[in-house]
Amino acid sequence: GAVVSQHPSRVICKSGTSVKIECRSLDFQATTMFWYRQFPKQSLMLMATSNEGSKATYEQGVEKDKFLINHASLTLSTLTVTSAHPEDSSFYICSARGRTGLAGRVETQYFGPGTRLLVL
Amino acid sequence: EDKVVQSPLSLVVHEGDTVTLNCSYEVTNFRSLLWYKQEKKAPTFLFMLTSSGIEKKSGRLSSILDKKELFSILNITATQTGDSAIYLCANKENRDGLTFGKGTHLIIQP
Repeated sequence: GAVVSQHPSRVICKSGTSVKIECRSLDFQATTMFWYRQFPKQSLMLMATSNEGSKATYEQGVEKDKFLINHASLTLSTLTVTSAHPEDSSFYICSARGRTGLAGRVETQYFGPGTRLLVL
Repeated sequence: EDKVVQSPLSLVVHEGDTVTLNCSYEVTNFRSLLWYKQEKKAPTFLFMLTSSGIEKKSGRLSSILDKKELFSILNITATQTGDSAIYLCANKENRDGLTFGKGTHLIIQP
């Protein structure tokens, strides 16, 4: 069945380094991918929306030069946190929207398991 | 096989009705079960459940967890059109992982 995977599940890095997180849709083509950041008390914030082959649309307050999003194919989107700082430590979740089911009739959004980023 | 199964996948009711949404999950190392309401930008957090049998309530919404039978329900009473959304449940097995269900698409008709 349709699944979204994220890699890595957990990453620890030094301040100033860049970290790339991959989001893959399995068994379906994701025309749109979303990146979220989870804050304390479980709330999720949408960071950006990316459509395959075009530039991502960033939400207000999200620095596009710091959080680089690439959606190069219908099954892969990457989020690169550049020059990471301790305040970037968080849980990042992607979700993918695409058509599944018989003849691609059903448009559904699936969430990945998340990536825990810890910046030291 | 899906680890978090929500039912029904979609539901259409009339304003004023009461609805019950279901979420069953597998458990390896259970920490908590989360409910979200997704409308536009991002899922809005509703409840986090960690203990069995203790109902959490917020206005017309309430939720309860049964850790023995591995399920949770989300109740919405006196539904309003603004309750129309996709309701997601997610199983948090450890600090670094969330498994979402496919969601229940709820439509409240006037």
